[in-house]
Amino acid sequence: DAKTTQPTSMDCAEGRAANLPCNHSTISGNEYVYWYRQIHSQGPQYIIHGLKNNETNEMASLIITEDRKSSTLILPHATLRDTAVYYCIVSIYNQGGKLIFGQGTELSVKP
Amino acid sequence: EAQVTQNPRYLITVTGKKLTVTCSQNMNHEYMSWYRQDPGLGLRQIYYSMNVEVTDKGDVPEGYKVSRKEKRNFPLILESPSPNQTSLYFCASLRDRAADTQYFGPGTRLTVL
Repeated sequence: DAKTTQPTSMDCAEGRAANLPCNHSTISGNEYVYWYRQIHSQGPQYIIHGLKNNETNEMASLIITEDRKSSTLILPHATLRDTAVYYCIVSIYNQGGKLIFGQGTELSVKP
Repeated sequence: EAQVTQNPRYLITVTGKKLTVTCSQNMNHEYMSWYRQDPGLGLRQIYYSMNVEVTDKGDVPEGYKVSRKEKRNFPLILESPSPNQTSLYFCASLRDRAADTQYFGPGTRLTVL
């Protein structure tokens, strides 16, 4: 599985868009980009995923560069409840759906 | 409601006393996994199962056992717990490889004295 690089921490003002970057320069052609988040010590929560096209769902948008070497997760209107650690993971869900969690980005949404 | 449940949520035990952490999912998922989370090391996969009676080692299987006798249940067994197994444990399930959402349980915080 490809390795990802994310900033250690970021701040965002409540109501503003939060843009979380991720580099995955060694991603393989069949690997998807997944985003999960973990609030405090709760179980990780799926946010969104994509292969090469941009994706949007009710939680977020995912922008993947054309060369697939980086991506950005966008939370359009961040709230205090979005404060969490966000993990960018590349995977093909083999080995029972194995996810390799890095250190993630600790997002703090401030009033 | 789709969910993964784990029991117990908190457990303090002593070295060598066998324990089992249960995991159950109500989504008829094929795949299930166990992870442990430690400060500075992130979440690491312990064992996984791709169907009933089909289990395999993840990245950190030493000191753990699992079984998958029914599709919904995937218990984690520590036959002789040691202090280095003090950790936060998560169970996860996934419909199959083509699915998108992997669901995680609420976690079990284990302390081995």
